[in-house]
Amino acid sequence: GQQVMQIPQYQHVQEGEDFTTYCNSSTTLSNIQWYKQRPGGHPVFLIQLVKSGEVKKQKRLTFQFGEAKKNSSLHITATQTTDVGTYFCAGPGAGSYQLTFGKGTKLSVIP
Amino acid sequence: DTAVSQTPKYLVTQMGNDKSIKCEQNLGHDTMYWYKQDSKKFLKIMFSYNNKELIINETVPNRFSPKSPDKAHLNLHINSLELGDSAVYFCASSQGLSGTDTQYFGPGTRLTVL
Repeated sequence: GQQVMQIPQYQHVQEGEDFTTYCNSSTTLSNIQWYKQRPGGHPVFLIQLVKSGEVKKQKRLTFQFGEAKKNSSLHITATQTTDVGTYFCAGPGAGSYQLTFGKGTKLSVIP
Repeated sequence: DTAVSQTPKYLVTQMGNDKSIKCEQNLGHDTMYWYKQDSKKFLKIMFSYNNKELIINETVPNRFSPKSPDKAHLNLHINSLELGDSAVYFCASSQGLSGTDTQYFGPGTRLTVL
């Protein structure tokens, strides 16, 4: 079955440093979605990437979808304490509607 | 108004008991899900319903029985609770079954089995 792998599992950064999490799928993805879960909260949709090589930005967050549509990354520039949480990527396999979530990257920001 | 709501938020119970978690969405979505999130934060899908019909039933013990009385509600009943059932259970909904549909999660129910 499809697997979605995310690295790193944990990341501790000093406030102001950059942060990147990577997502890799064992199969080609029709799209990839990113979610953020704050401590004690629930996953909240951030963005969806559909096109090969697509890059989208949300303020300090930059999302990329690989050319082969099998990998993606989320980069945060100059982290702030409000960025703390677990970031999940999720994607359906080709021809599948079921979303498979990566195991998430837990980001801690040291003030 | 809360888009996806769950009750209760916390549930503490003894091993062997039976309990239910309720979920409601007011987004007009056709598809609803139950996820289990363990202590390591892994999100694993348990069930998916589309228009009240079961679509996905992952490898879940048959002690777990979902029920969808209508498109806006998906409840989860758990029989004979075990210690390993302790987790946070999230309900979610999406417009449809398309893999491009965004999922909206409820606030979660933290289940603790003693």
